[in-house]
Amino acid sequence: QLQLQESGPGLVKPSETLSLTCTVSGGSISSYSSYWGWVRQPPGKGLEWIAFIYYSGSTYYNPSLESRVTISVDTSKNQLSLKLNSVTAADTAVYYCARFLYYSCTACHTFDYWGQGTLVTVSS
Amino acid sequence: IQMTQSPSSVSASVGDRVTITCRASQGTSSWLAWYQQKPGKAPELLIYAVSTLQSGVPSRFSGSGSGTDFTLTISSLQPEDFATYYCQQGTSFPITFGQGTRLEIK
Repeated sequence: QLQLQESGPGLVKPSETLSLTCTVSGGSISSYSSYWGWVRQPPGKGLEWIAFIYYSGSTYYNPSLESRVTISVDTSKNQLSLKLNSVTAADTAVYYCARFLYYSCTACHTFDYWGQGTLVTVSS
Repeated sequence: IQMTQSPSSVSASVGDRVTITCRASQGTSSWLAWYQQKPGKAPELLIYAVSTLQSGVPSRFSGSGSGTDFTLTISSLQPEDFATYYCQQGTSFPITFGQGTRLEIK
């Protein structure tokens, strides 16, 4: 059973960089069919896709965040990472990592596995 | 592609039939999915490719639609169905979600 687990600081100061890691277990991050990405949800609000990455390094970013976001993958550790710089209170959210099926799949173009999410609060 | 759900919230009783609508600002082909989210939990994939139920999803859930207009129907509400539902398009980047529909117990 595939499992995703987010980790990182729960509190970040304004103007600093938010850094999160997602560890994938029960499957390989080097899967042909999958991109791996991040989705966030501000408290009481809806879902916003941030970015995703293929194991080869190919990336897609949400244009609304692209100038501040970096996503990376470490296939040796089966991990993906997110960095969001120059954060403000508007970046306070639960951050989820998720698998996005893309190639040779039945449930293509969906997020079929999610981590439990981690709340990141931006505050001084 | 902007996704607009209606209603934003709905109150219903166990056994009721409920329909949630999702409208896309432009055609989304068949890459339309629905998710269920319960408080404090991650979203779970319910339906993909407009109408295909994810493994393990009860048959009381169904999806339909084409082009820009899509619906999620729950034929007979069960207590565990009270949650928030989101549509998501996967046709073009950026991937976008509807704003959510909160299904509450009447």
